[in-house]
Order: sequence, then C-alpha cells, then structure tokens
Amino acid sequence: AQTVTQSQPEMSVQEAETVTLSCTYDTSENNYYLFWYKQPPSRQMILVIRQEAYKQQNATENRFSVNFQKAAKSFSLKISDSQLGDTAMYFCAFEDYKLSFGAGTTVTVRA
Amino acid sequence: EAGVAQSPRYKIIEKRQSVAFWCNPISGHATLYWYQQILGQGPKLLIQFQNNGVVDDSQLPKDRFSAERLKGVDSTLKIQPAKLEDSAVYLCASSLRGSTDTQYFGPGTRLTVL
Repeated sequence: AQTVTQSQPEMSVQEAETVTLSCTYDTSENNYYLFWYKQPPSRQMILVIRQEAYKQQNATENRFSVNFQKAAKSFSLKISDSQLGDTAMYFCAFEDYKLSFGAGTTVTVRA
Repeated sequence: EAGVAQSPRYKIIEKRQSVAFWCNPISGHATLYWYQQILGQGPKLLIQFQNNGVVDDSQLPKDRFSAERLKGVDSTLKIQPAKLEDSAVYLCASSLRGSTDTQYFGPGTRLTVL
C-alpha cells in the first residue's frame, strides 16, 4: 500500500514571505502522479499543483512550486510571497491507481 | 462551468439511524469518487465509479455503507445503520476520465452521529 507522510502538522508564515511544506511517499511503482491540494476553512478542496513522476522538471503554478526528488521519494511545496488567502490545510497526495492523501499541514499566513 | 454539487451540507443523526448523501459531478466527467475525511486527517477513498461501474470499493465498509451511481451521472452514498465513528465530512469528487486526471471536489457533507 502506498503511504504519504507530511511531517509538519502546522506551519506559520508572515505575509509576503516563503514557506516550504514537506512530503514523502513510499511506493514501488515507477509511474505515478503527485499532487498538492489546498483545503481552505470553507472545506472545498482545490488542486494547487500536479507533477508527473516521469517528468524531471519541477512543476510551477504562479507562486507555488515543487521540489520533486524521485530517488528520495520527496515532494515538497514552496509557497512564495505568501498571501492571507493562502491560509488553509494543504494535503500532499500520491496517485497510481487511486489517490492517497497525507494527513495534511495547516498553514497560517500572518498579516 | 458548474462544479461538483453535494447535498445536504450538514446532517446530524443519532446512532443506528440511516442517512443518505447525494452528489452531482461536473458534466461529462466519467469518474466519480466518494471520500471520508475524519477531523484532522486526510481524505480516505471509499468508492470509485467509472461511468456507472465500480472501479474500487476496497475501503468501503460494506456491512453498513452502500453507494450507487445512477445512469453514470448522479451518485448517492448511504449509511445504515450509522455508528459514532462515522462522524466525518463526506467528500464527492469527479474527474474527466480516470484517476490520473485532476479530481474536482465538492463542498462536502458534514455528518455528526450522536
């Protein structure tokens, strides 16, 4: 079974600064997908960023970027220029034939 | 484009009662998912449909949970009888084709079992 580990239950960051969320996963598969989802306090989950394992280039979406280290099975998310609207729970997820989520990291952006 | 719709948004029942949740996926999405999210945890997949067929229900407690997807569109998830540990948010999601596509989530139904 695939497992996804997010070792940081909570993170706090000052507005406009950068925060990095860690995620590790365990799999014996070679082809898979990795995601970061954001769940604001209203609880609707939305996709932040997606990475295909066969692509070496790290995915980027505006202020969000990942550091994908396939050999280390690591998939961290960097939020640059943090905004108050980034306050949410962030979930790392692994997908080969089904989506498995980590326990989440609560990010609080301080004004 | 309309998103994934779920109802009700909140439900409070007593243990041993039954409850049903409804989900309408994004139009044209072939795959529909039901997740259970217990407070403080990540979502856990309960069941996945491709059109109106079940792809994965390995984590669905089949003695009390059931789900169907009528005509490959709407879906209902039922719990009968409910237990205290079923208190959670039930999330519905859909994707265009299979599970490697981006999943779009609904707002969820928060169930409290007393």
